[in-house]
Amino acid sequence: QKEVEQDPGPLSVPEGAIVSLNCTYSNSAFQYFMWYRQYSRKGPELLMYTYSSGNKEDGRFTAQVDKSSKYISLFIRDSQPSDSATYLCAMGENAGNNRKLIWGLGTSLAVNP
Amino acid sequence: ETGVTQSPTHLIKTRGQQVTLRCSSQSGHNTVSWYQQALGQGPQFIFQYYREEENGRGNFPPRFSGLQFPNYSSELNVNALELDDSALYLCASSMAGTGYEQYFGPGTRLTVT
Repeated sequence: QKEVEQDPGPLSVPEGAIVSLNCTYSNSAFQYFMWYRQYSRKGPELLMYTYSSGNKEDGRFTAQVDKSSKYISLFIRDSQPSDSATYLCAMGENAGNNRKLIWGLGTSLAVNP
Repeated sequence: ETGVTQSPTHLIKTRGQQVTLRCSSQSGHNTVSWYQQALGQGPQFIFQYYREEENGRGNFPPRFSGLQFPNYSSELNVNALELDDSALYLCASSMAGTGYEQYFGPGTRLTVT
């Protein structure tokens, strides 16, 4: 079993839809949870960063962490064609100075005009 | 504020050769992490450098090595290239002690023939 599981999709939605992206994990030591967006052949771009459990909102994006279920989500409201990209979840332990991230496979999202 | 830069953008090498990839970290960041991302996969952690020393390593053989310089820029060296080394190599910079916020460069796409 991989430490982080993420459905690769692809996911296709109409413009304006609410998008829900999810990851599950097995390592209970994970404390830091991130969502990155990656456009084709580019480096990942940090979207959301959450420590421990709870919700975090930033504009059209909401990140949720449920540590009891080992499940994290990213919601995108009023999705736009420019949101079409691969969304990757990444996680890390609270382990000193070593900031090693463990990643999901990424979910490919297409928002259709 | 200057973002993370990487060079070269693309590189084609022959099996058995050696390659050096370069990364300049974001202004104010003192930690550099390197990741390998195969097509359709999430990034895999190679290693991290902090204060010019390796500070954590993933499951990569010793032919993957690195350096960090006093200005926090970094190099990734790969010896005895294999076909499976073909991937996007990503560099991420961060500030030690501030958690897991890592900012990525655009990557170097390495093709081994």
